[in-house]
Amino acid sequence: EVQLVESGGGLVQPGRSLRLSCTASGFTFGDYAMSWVRQAPGKGLELVGFIRSRTYGGTTEYAASVKGRFTISRDNSKSIAYLQMNNLKTEDTAVYFCTRVAAGGFDYWGQGTLVTVSS
Amino acid sequence: QSALTQPASVSGSPGQSITISCTGTSSDVGGYNYVSWYQQHPGKAPKRMIYEVSNRPSGVSNRFSGSKSGNTASLTISGLQAEDEADYYCSSYTSSNTYVFGTGTKVTVL
Repeated sequence: EVQLVESGGGLVQPGRSLRLSCTASGFTFGDYAMSWVRQAPGKGLELVGFIRSRTYGGTTEYAASVKGRFTISRDNSKSIAYLQMNNLKTEDTAVYFCTRVAAGGFDYWGQGTLVTVSS
Repeated sequence: QSALTQPASVSGSPGQSITISCTGTSSDVGGYNYVSWYQQHPGKAPKRMIYEVSNRPSGVSNRFSGSKSGNTASLTISGLQAEDEADYYCSSYTSSNTYVFGTGTKVTVL
């Protein structure tokens, strides 16, 4: 059974950093791209970015709204994907979901972790 | 990358059929057969209901079907049930080698 479990969310002040983790199980982690999708309170889904599989060099893509501030990485040996968030802004407040990327979309989702950016 | 356009809300009575549209451009919806649809109940993670325009993952009811014409994809829910009341989002692969979501549609069962 595929499982994705996010951790690391919480309350953080503007300008500070936070790192989210996504621990995967039930599939060969290194064979899949992984993404982070966020949802601000009462709003829709926004792709934060994704990291390709090892077959495709583990390269990354980011939304314009986070480029230069957020970094996605992965540890295939531990089956964990990370989202490093720097210089956080109040508008980054959202539930952050980790997903597996397959068949041109996002097939499995974690339960999400809430990040609140506030002073 | 602009979000794909969906109607804000769609409603129907139990047993009826409803269709949700997802309009993009030739650089996303129209250019690739990589359109997915997701169902999200309040406080829950989204669940993929359709992938590659019209394919249903194992375990998804055959009351859900997808199609595409030009730059617009559609999700049809037939035999509407109370449990179908949720938010629905589409997504598409894009020519920028990334993905884009739709604006979301709230489905209400009357």
